[in-house]
Amino acid sequence: KNEVEQSPQNLTAQEGEFITINCSYSVGISALHWLQQHPGGGIVSLFMLSSGKKKHGRLIATINIQEKHSSLHITASHPRDSAVYICAAFTSGTYKYIFGTGTRLKVLA
Amino acid sequence: DTGVSQDPRHKITKRGQNVTFRCDPISEHNRLYWYRQTLGQGPEFLTYFQNEAQLEKSRLLSDRFSAERPKGSFSTLEIQRTEQGDSAMYLCASSSYRDLRNEQFFGPGTRLTVL
Repeated sequence: KNEVEQSPQNLTAQEGEFITINCSYSVGISALHWLQQHPGGGIVSLFMLSSGKKKHGRLIATINIQEKHSSLHITASHPRDSAVYICAAFTSGTYKYIFGTGTRLKVLA
Repeated sequence: DTGVSQDPRHKITKRGQNVTFRCDPISEHNRLYWYRQTLGQGPEFLTYFQNEAQLEKSRLLSDRFSAERPKGSFSTLEIQRTEQGDSAMYLCASSSYRDLRNEQFFGPGTRLTVL
């Protein structure tokens, strides 16, 4: 079992739908990082959070430290949101990330 | 600020050849990380530098892999005697010791194909 698990692995949505991607972790963390990876490999930082909730545009990220769970929500999804979304746990006592396997999102027009 | 850069972006090589990749971090970042990502998987940690010191190395990094950061700025990752299983995207990231969250910024990656 991976230390950081994401679900679903693949997600297809229609434009305009509300999307939720989940991330659960079993390690102690200092922070959790949500990343977006487009075809071709480039990784873009979306959110880094250690508690509560953050919002940027149509994206919302939440984290529940007690339950060791984080969610990424996309409101009013758009085809340009199509990408792989990866959560990465920044583990306590080290400087490295442990990554989830990613959620491949495809938003259809 | 030009961000993290990696060179080359793509490398195709024959099995048994040696390859070297370069990463230039964000200029004021003293921490540098190498990750490997195979198709359909999330990145996996390979190694980490703080300034020029290599502080951690994954068991994934076999004897054929070596990484250096001689002056605490750019880093190189060398793979000797490449194998087909080495085909992957090699990602570099950097962060600043001043950032208590240690947010890491990623380069575009080097995609290696071993024939």
